[in-house]
Amino acid sequence: GAGVSQTPSNKVTEKGKYVELRCDPISGHTALYWYRQSLGQGPEFLIYFQGTGAADDSGLPNDRFFAVRPEGSVSTLKIQRTERGDSAVYLCASSMRGVEQFFGPGTRLTVL
Amino acid sequence: QKEVEQDPGPLSVPEGAIVSLNCTYSNSAFQYFMWYRQYSRKGPELLMYTYSSGNKEDGRFTAQVDKSSKYISLFIRDSQPSDSATYLCAMSARDDKIIFGKGTRLHILP
Repeated sequence: GAGVSQTPSNKVTEKGKYVELRCDPISGHTALYWYRQSLGQGPEFLIYFQGTGAADDSGLPNDRFFAVRPEGSVSTLKIQRTERGDSAVYLCASSMRGVEQFFGPGTRLTVL
Repeated sequence: QKEVEQDPGPLSVPEGAIVSLNCTYSNSAFQYFMWYRQYSRKGPELLMYTYSSGNKEDGRFTAQVDKSSKYISLFIRDSQPSDSATYLCAMSARDDKIIFGKGTRLHILP
């Protein structure tokens, strides 16, 4: 079966622009997670959805970051007024049971 | 002090050797302990997870958790060149969000 997919695989944008990153979880997985991975670091938690609602958004670094999951499946991570420090790989994961999370390949975001 | 500490390596060992990877942590609330493998430009792949203390074995891989010492280990027996990757330890308190270590880069030399 299909795994977690993320689009685009690469995104290059200019400082100050708005970007949207999309995640398609494994079918039937109720939980969806977003993480950010900087070079040489482990993934860092951003936000977690259970169904349509954000169960924990404590990892979002500031109010320029926002995520939605309107129908409990696909999720979009939105970043406003991008900064060079936002450059990283954004990873999405889904799960049926908590910590058994299955990761997508990530979106590599570069802010020039 | 970071919640999860992991030596980034790189660690180079000859093919066939036993590999030992380790992490320490500071948060006594962690109950779930995971090891992920990540190849270059790919997402992390779950290898094993353990709830609370003890050992777990899966093929060539053995995970150990010592909660009294706040120390976890992953052993890889009969290492293969295809095991070359970054290994991430990860932990969770409530079976949801995961806190990752930095990852250890492992090279298995043919």
